[in-house]
Amino acid sequence: ETGVTQTPRHLVMGMTNKKSLKCEQHLGHNAMYWYKQSAKKPLELMFVYNFKEQTENNSVPSRFSPECPNSSHLFLHLHTLQPEDSALYLCASSQVVADPDTQYFGPGTRLTVL
Amino acid sequence: GQNIDQPTEMTATEGAIVQINCTYQTSGFNGLFWYQQHAGEAPTFLSYNVLDGLEEKGRFSSFLSRSKGYSYLLLKELQMKDSASYLCAAMDSNYQLIWGAGTKLIIKP
Repeated sequence: ETGVTQTPRHLVMGMTNKKSLKCEQHLGHNAMYWYKQSAKKPLELMFVYNFKEQTENNSVPSRFSPECPNSSHLFLHLHTLQPEDSALYLCASSQVVADPDTQYFGPGTRLTVL
Repeated sequence: GQNIDQPTEMTATEGAIVQINCTYQTSGFNGLFWYQQHAGEAPTFLSYNVLDGLEEKGRFSSFLSRSKGYSYLLLKELQMKDSASYLCAAMDSNYQLIWGAGTKLIIKP
């Protein structure tokens, strides 16, 4: 595998379900990001991890819970979501955070909340 | 507040040239990025500008004017595969990317 991978690619869940999104980067980077992409809206930064430490939480509801066990893996745990949470969830990585560094994206998980 | 503006949609003809504009307002500035995103795929990096002027990379060029808070992406010799969304993003003083909503480019034969 190369680059940034995400699983699953598609997910349909009910509002009472609990699920997790997984991201893995094979680039040797130290920073990882979760973004939400809704149709015709700018990417919304959700969480940032730098060397496994969370550095940003952009007022994201607690029904989204990130986990970063090491610099290569990032999870987004989901529970009691709302229909408006339906979106494309993108993971990205970069060498570090505090640098004008290029972010590399995974293909995303298309989430539908019923 | 921080804001990025870019057109929602543009249409161009195969073989032609198209310019996608982007204006930005950010708290501090650490450069301007352009990404390409095909439908259902990951955004992929196209260019980065931090100094004023034009950066050319094959058929694609990107321009930055820091004093005007303005950038554009120039695509030459358009091909059908260039049909995609083009995302403009400015990096603020905290090294966070502030994103535009993207410009959907439609290429017609």
